[in-house]
Amino acid sequence: DVKVTQSSRYLVKRTGEKVFLECVQDMDHENMFWYRQDPGLGLRLIYFSYDVKMKEKGDIPEGYSVSREKKERFSLILESASTNQTSMYLCASSPPGQGHYSNQPQHFGDGTRLSIL
Amino acid sequence: GNSVTQMEGPVTLSEEAFLTINCTYTATGYPSLFWYVQYPGEGLQLLLKATKADDKGSNKGFEATYRKETTSFHLEKGSVQVSDSAVYFCALNFGNEKLTFGTGTRLTIIP
Repeated sequence: DVKVTQSSRYLVKRTGEKVFLECVQDMDHENMFWYRQDPGLGLRLIYFSYDVKMKEKGDIPEGYSVSREKKERFSLILESASTNQTSMYLCASSPPGQGHYSNQPQHFGDGTRLSIL
Repeated sequence: GNSVTQMEGPVTLSEEAFLTINCTYTATGYPSLFWYVQYPGEGLQLLLKATKADDKGSNKGFEATYRKETTSFHLEKGSVQVSDSAVYFCALNFGNEKLTFGTGTRLTIIP
C-alpha cells in the first residue's frame, strides 16, 4: 500500500513565524500535491510538483512556497505565518497519468492541523 | 474553468437506509470522475472512479455512474452502515493530474 506520511498531526505556531510542513511518500510517485481543507470550501490546491525541483502554483499559492529536493519529499513553507492560514493541510501523491486524460488516483496523508496564534 | 458541485450536508440517515449524494460538474470535454471518502481523523482515500461516459464505478457497496448527458456522478448505496459515517468528496481531473474537488458532504448514520 502507498504510504504518505505527514510529519505532524497537530502544530501550533505564532504569527510571523516561518513554518515548515513535511510530506514523504514511499511509492516513488512523480506527482505530489499540497492542499488546504476548510469547512464549506472543500480542498483547495496550493502547489503541486511533477518532478524533483519542479513546482507549479495551484489555486491559492499566496503566502506559501514549496520545496522538492528529493522525489519522495515535498515540503510546504509558510514564509510568515498569519492567522488566516490556520487550517488542515493535506499532502497527496500520485503516479503520472496515462495518455491525455489522467485517471490516476491521488493518495493522501492523514493531514496536519495547523493553528496560527 | 472546471468545477464540481455537491449537495450540501450534513446528511443524517438511519442504518440500512438508501443513500444518494448528488454531484454535478462543469468541464470542457470529458474528465475522469472520482469519489473520495474521509473518515474521522484521517486523510482522503479513493472510494471509486469512472473514466468515460456510462462507466460505473463501484466499491464497498457504493456505486456511481458517469452521466455525460446530465454531467453528473451521483453516489449511491443501497443500505448504509454506521461505519459509512464520513465526509464524501466528488472530484474530477481533466488533461493533467490536478484534481478539482467539491466542497464535501458530511454523512452521519445513526443506529
